[in-house]
Amino acid sequence: GENVEQHPSTLSVQEGDSAVIKCTYSDSASNYFPWYKQELGKRPQLIIDIRSNVGEKKDQRIAVTLNKTAKHFSLHITETQPEDSAVYFCAARFTGGGNKLTFGTGTQLKVEL
Amino acid sequence: GAVVSQHPSWVICKSGTSVKIECRSLDFQATTMFWYRQFPKQSLMLMATSNEGSKATYEQGVEKDKFLINHASLTLSTLTVTSAHPEDSSFYICSATPVSGGAGMVETQYFGPGTRLLVL
Repeated sequence: GENVEQHPSTLSVQEGDSAVIKCTYSDSASNYFPWYKQELGKRPQLIIDIRSNVGEKKDQRIAVTLNKTAKHFSLHITETQPEDSAVYFCAARFTGGGNKLTFGTGTQLKVEL
Repeated sequence: GAVVSQHPSWVICKSGTSVKIECRSLDFQATTMFWYRQFPKQSLMLMATSNEGSKATYEQGVEKDKFLINHASLTLSTLTVTSAHPEDSSFYICSATPVSGGAGMVETQYFGPGTRLLVL
């Protein structure tokens, strides 16, 4: 099955700085990579996703990059704000598993004033 | 669009009783719904995949006789925790993917708000 590793587990940045979270996956046939933001006690919210035929995708302050050769993808948040503080999960969908997603272990992001 | 609801949002029950959790896609039809369990400060662990009109597919280590899943329509899936015990206390979250041609990419999973279960 698929295995997804996520780093770092915690990340503290100053407001206005950038934050980068990295994930690696094991199955080279994986073709869809979403990122979710989860605030305490709430549902995971999709913030950005990318398919394997694209190398980069950007949506305002959020971007995701994908390196298929190295089997890793990253979330970039620029100009961080306190409301960006949350747990972020990466995930990967491997083609042999239907539509199942395998999630990373999560990154607790804290944006400090 | 792509809203998923869950009911109840929280439930407290006695050990040995059964609890049913509903997951509904409110504004789209979902071919597939997924059930996850999340323990505090941990990731989402997939329990089972629920397809409308067919038997659910359970992940390794998940007891199908304990966690009964029914997916009766394209907008509703239910998870019943039978004979609940304190170790079943957790945050249960469902997600749904839209049918092809509907809201969003077919791979996108939209999550419900979760159900917090506490078994005494």
